[in-house]
Amino acid sequence: EPEVTQTPSHQVTQMGQEVILRCVPISNHLYFYWYRQILGQKVEFLVSFYNNEISEKSEIFDDQFSVERPDGSNFTLKIRSTKLEDSAMYFCASCGGGPGETQYFGPGTRLLVL
Amino acid sequence: TQLLEQSPQFLSIQEGENLTVYCNSSSVFSSLQWYRQEPGEGPVLLVTVVTGGEVKKLKRLTFQFGDARKDSSLHITAAQPGDTGLYLCAGENRGSTLGRLYFGRGTQLTVWP
Repeated sequence: EPEVTQTPSHQVTQMGQEVILRCVPISNHLYFYWYRQILGQKVEFLVSFYNNEISEKSEIFDDQFSVERPDGSNFTLKIRSTKLEDSAMYFCASCGGGPGETQYFGPGTRLLVL
Repeated sequence: TQLLEQSPQFLSIQEGENLTVYCNSSSVFSSLQWYRQEPGEGPVLLVTVVTGGEVKKLKRLTFQFGDARKDSSLHITAAQPGDTGLYLCAGENRGSTLGRLYFGRGTQLTVWP
């Protein structure tokens, strides 16, 4: 069964460093998302992406964040200068048909900023 | 901001008991999805409900979407230890161009043998 994969599973970084989180969505999907979940809190939407551009972003997704689909398979989330409060689980999701269609989530990357 | 409130936050029951988890909002959603999440893993979809009043069954799990599409419930019959996990509801608003999901905080269910 196709699934969304994410790498790395865990990332530890120093405050102020750049991190890139990688996702490989399900191959025939066209809509991509990043969510995050701070420990003990709810899953929060960060950004949605379609046709090589951002479709919607939340208030969390400030200038420190960027997304890219550098080739036909990868979808990345970059945090330019990490802050302590960026420590969270980051989930990638993909969807085949846009609104109303199921979003399939990856296993997540646990980011710890020291 | 579209808020989804889940209750109860924690539920601890014995094997064989029935339970209901609630997901409520003051907002209307075009669809609502129920996920189950294990520690350290991503949410795994259980069901999507779209039509007001819709009822879907998945073995011992029954999902209902409220008539006004503002609330939903998950009922588990004869709970088993394997049902232990975090149950999340997530609503989608058709006004969002690409299906942004709004998640509740989840209900942590523990079923004791």
